[in-house]
Amino acid sequence: AQSVTQLDSHVSVSEGTPVLLRCNYSSSYSPSLFWYVQHPNKGLQLLLKYTSAATLVKGINGFEAEFKKSETSFHLTKPSAHMSDAAEYFCVVSDRGGYQKVTFGIGTKLQVIP
Amino acid sequence: DTEVTQTPKHLVMGMTNKKSLKCEQHMGHRAMYWYKQKAKKPPELMFVYSYEKLSINESVPSRFSPECPNSSLLNLHLHALQPEDSALYLCASSQEERQGYYEQYFGPGTRLTVT
Repeated sequence: AQSVTQLDSHVSVSEGTPVLLRCNYSSSYSPSLFWYVQHPNKGLQLLLKYTSAATLVKGINGFEAEFKKSETSFHLTKPSAHMSDAAEYFCVVSDRGGYQKVTFGIGTKLQVIP
Repeated sequence: DTEVTQTPKHLVMGMTNKKSLKCEQHMGHRAMYWYKQKAKKPPELMFVYSYEKLSINESVPSRFSPECPNSSLLNLHLHALQPEDSALYLCASSQEERQGYYEQYFGPGTRLTVT
């Protein structure tokens, strides 16, 4: 069985300050982990994914995430928030073999204050 | 071209109407997905097509009927819907169905309102 927990439903940061969106997972297999972003009334866009290579994964728009097996975490970070980062972020887990369906977290809404 | 397109963008339909949602991708992907997303919730998987065959049906009511005419197109036929079916319907595709291995590319969605 697999599950994913996004620890914050809402995060608010000031423009130019760091962003931290937290995600913990549980998986019976070696996991694949993804972060997707969804702007209002839009589809989801992949930010980054971890499948088995480097534990520090760099994505688009300056985002990165670190896979920590001992902590079962895959937190998303960005050094400096931009107004355009305001959106909903979903952490997603599946088994690395890929034969199970993905499981979405409930989402974290990021608000960026000017 | 890494784009998934969906038409229409918005759809309002009565409970007795029949309508269809359309999705198209030209990335050569062999897996295509329909999701339903209610406000402030994550997407919920409805159907998966793999190599143009229905692979997963998440016990979706029969008033939703998917169709995959070819490897680039995915339709969702709607009939006798209920107001609670109002939602954003998202289409996605991936290289193959191994969801934990291949990322999914999402379309912008169709905002459906059932009156």
